[in-house]
Amino acid sequence: AQSVAQPEDQVNVAEGNPLTVKCTYSVSGNPYLFWYVQYPNRGLQFLLKYITGDNLVKGSYGFEAEFNKSQTSFHLKKPSALVSDSALYFCAVSPGGSARQLTFGSGTQLTVLP
Amino acid sequence: GAVVSQHPSRVICKSGTSVKIECRSLDFQATTMFWYRQFPKQSLMLMATSNEGSKATYEQGVEKDKFLINHASLTLSTLTVTSAHPEDSSFYICSALPSGLSGANVLTFGAGSRLTVL
Repeated sequence: AQSVAQPEDQVNVAEGNPLTVKCTYSVSGNPYLFWYVQYPNRGLQFLLKYITGDNLVKGSYGFEAEFNKSQTSFHLKKPSALVSDSALYFCAVSPGGSARQLTFGSGTQLTVLP
Repeated sequence: GAVVSQHPSRVICKSGTSVKIECRSLDFQATTMFWYRQFPKQSLMLMATSNEGSKATYEQGVEKDKFLINHASLTLSTLTVTSAHPEDSSFYICSALPSGLSGANVLTFGAGSRLTVL
């Protein structure tokens, strides 16, 4: 069975500083990796995905993530944080990309301080 | 882009009543939809897979008689929480797969429905 770990429940960063939200995964076979963002009382919005190819994936709103196979990690990054980036971020993994087998991490609350 | 609409966004009901939540794919057909439950500050847990024209597939531990799912058309799935109790209070989210596709990368999520049972 696959699993996703987001070791930090909360990440605080000052506006304008770089941010990193950590994610590690465990899955059999080729991992399809995703990041989603959730604003209060809203559903999930897709940010970016890794399927194959370049280890650095660029997504929406200036976010990017780096796939590291040896460390089984897929950390979300942004060079310069905005207050509007404050939200709940979920990492997710799916073996072979199956929608039914999409497994989410526990989420990381990002707070960007003005 | 693909849009999934959930209704209602918020609902408050009395204990013992039933509540229906709708999930609609607005600009695409979805043979398969998924229903998730999210507790405060926790992750999404898949409850069931809704299949158009056939019975839903429930995840282990989810009571199918409690959470009735109907997927009568290619654009609509409904989740009915029957005889709701306060412990059913939660945020329910649906997602939809465009017909003919199965990959997680093409899932579109609804905005969620917050159920509060008094």
